Amino acid sequence: QLQLQESGPGLVKPSETLSLTCTVSGGSINSRTYYWAWIRQPPGKGLEWIGSIYYSGSTYYNPSLKSRVTISVDTSKNQFSLRLSSVTAADTAVYYCASEVGYCSSTSCYRGPYYFDYWGQGSLVTVSS
Amino acid sequence: QSVLTQPPSVSGAPGQRVTISCTGSSSNIGAGFAVHWYQQLPGTAPQLLIYDNSNRPSGVPDRFSGSNSGTTASLAITGLQAEDEADYYCLSFDSSLVFGGGTKLTVL
Repeated sequence: QLQLQESGPGLVKPSETLSLTCTVSGGSINSRTYYWAWIRQPPGKGLEWIGSIYYSGSTYYNPSLKSRVTISVDTSKNQFSLRLSSVTAADTAVYYCASEVGYCSSTSCYRGPYYFDYWGQGSLVTVSS
Repeated sequence: QSVLTQPPSVSGAPGQRVTISCTGSSSNIGAGFAVHWYQQLPGTAPQLLIYDNSNRPSGVPDRFSGSNSGTTASLAITGLQAEDEADYYCLSFDSSLVFGGGTKLTVL
């Protein structure tokens, strides 16, 4: 089964860029039936989808974060990454990477049914000077 | 404020049945987008509990079940156990992926 592990700095200064990487093991990031997602959870609050990427590089972002988010994929390393620019204290959260299930017919692959089956353990990122 | 509304908290005694609602609208649940449910135990990552409205992943006890009606989805837990005390989140699609605000289940 898939295993995902987040890595990156735990402390980022305001106005700087948050960068995290997710390493996938137990499967290939080139899988046609998976998308790769970032989700965050501020302390004591609920979950927020940040965005997802397909192995081909196609990206899908939460409209509320789209102007500040970049998600990229490195198939040679079986990793995908998150960059969130111009961070403020409101971006302090546990950041999770997860696998998002896709669907493939005999001829094409599609995004959906829109859920995450495997999650990393999470990485707390604090924005503070 | 999420487009999917969950009660902030529910509670029940061991052995009882509880339900958690997830109320959406005609642009998400009512439009036919599936609802999925997650259980988040304290200090851990969310775990998939129900997918595609009513399906359980391997290893999830049949005490957990999901259903939909109109613009509202529900998660039912029967035979409540102490280890069910956790936060529960619904997830669906409304032009982008959206989570409900979460419900804290307390086992009395």
